[in-house]
Amino acid sequence: AQSVTQLGSHVSVSEGALVLLRCNYSSSVPPYLFWYVQYPNQGLQLLLKYTSAATLVKGINGFEAEFKKSETSFHLTKPSAHMSDAAEYFCAVTNQAGTALIFGKGTTLSVSS
Amino acid sequence: GAVVSQHPSWVICKSGTSVKIECRSLDFQATTMFWYRQFPKQSLMLMATSNEGSKATYEQGVEKDKFLINHASLTLSTLTVTSAHPEDSSFYICSASGGSGHEQFFGPGTRLTVL
Repeated sequence: AQSVTQLGSHVSVSEGALVLLRCNYSSSVPPYLFWYVQYPNQGLQLLLKYTSAATLVKGINGFEAEFKKSETSFHLTKPSAHMSDAAEYFCAVTNQAGTALIFGKGTTLSVSS
Repeated sequence: GAVVSQHPSWVICKSGTSVKIECRSLDFQATTMFWYRQFPKQSLMLMATSNEGSKATYEQGVEKDKFLINHASLTLSTLTVTSAHPEDSSFYICSASGGSGHEQFFGPGTRLTVL
């Protein structure tokens, strides 16, 4: 069965520091993986997606993620955090049929000055 | 990029009344639309999937008679919460897919408060 585990419900970094948000997945078929960001009282915005092409995926706002099949991971990184990056981040994987998304529980990113 | 809108953005209603939430794809044809529910500080839980012109497929545990979903056109899906109660208060988010991949485009959400 498809599932996503986000390690760390809350991550705090200083402005300018590296951001690392962890996501591990379980999938019985080649997965499609996504990272979304959600700001308070808003919908989800796609940061990036992996669809079986390049394993290092670059997204918007300086974020990138690397698909590692051997580790079943799809961690999200950004070299230098900005205050505006403070938000909720969700990792998601498509279900086995490829018809819906299964979301992780989310990680709240806090950025301090 | 693909834009999905929701209306209303927030609604307050009395217990026992029904509330309709609209989800529209503004610049593409959405063959599939999804409805999610999100409680505070929690993840999105898929409620149902609807394909244009077909009955919605509900996730286990979601009452289809309480959460009525209609996907009558390629640009509009509606979720009606019937006989709403305070426990139905939540953030409801829709998303739409044009069928050209696995990507879903999300609406801004609707905050429902039932008094």
